[in-house]
Amino acid sequence: QKEVEQDPGPLSVPEGAIVSLNCTYSNSAFQYFMWYRQYSRKGPELLMYTYSSGNKEDGRFTAQVDKSSKYISLFIRDSQPSDSATYLCAMRPPGNTPLVFGKGTRLSVIA
Amino acid sequence: NAGVTQTPKFQVLKTGQSMTLQCAQDMNHNSMYWYRQDPGMGLRLIYYSASEGTTDKGEVPNGYNVSRLNKREFSLRLESAAPSQTSVYFCASSEGRGNTGELFFGEGSRLTVL
Repeated sequence: QKEVEQDPGPLSVPEGAIVSLNCTYSNSAFQYFMWYRQYSRKGPELLMYTYSSGNKEDGRFTAQVDKSSKYISLFIRDSQPSDSATYLCAMRPPGNTPLVFGKGTRLSVIA
Repeated sequence: NAGVTQTPKFQVLKTGQSMTLQCAQDMNHNSMYWYRQDPGMGLRLIYYSASEGTTDKGEVPNGYNVSRLNKREFSLRLESAAPSQTSVYFCASSEGRGNTGELFFGEGSRLTVL
């Protein structure tokens, strides 16, 4: 079992839909949780960051962490065609250790 | 503001040839990383350098070598390229030293080995 599991999709939704993207993990030491967005032929860019458990909201995006279930989610409200990209979850324990990435979920928002 | 710069952006090699991918960051970051990204495999860490003067193996180091030339530059070398090394390679940097670990990525280098 990989440390971080993420359904690769692809996921296709109509414009305006609510999108839910998820990752599960096995390492209970993970404390830092991130979501990266990667447009086609570009490098990933940080979208959301959460420390430990709880929710974080930024505009149309909400990140949730449930450490008891080892489960993280990214919700996108009122999805737009410009949200079409690959979304990668990433996480790591305390200390200067590298991030562990999920495989990424490819999302298409259809106008 | 350049951020993380990778060269070359595209390269085609024949099996057995060698090459070096260059990476430079201008954010005064301590840590630098090399990843490869393949369809269905996600981002896999090849090597990283937590600080100037140190390097460590990641998940898939075989067939690669790295050099942390100075705080700004981190190169990745393929000594004898194989078709299995056809991939998109990303360099990244982070502040390190107990920071959140946020990575800043370059635009990628697309390598094809024939």
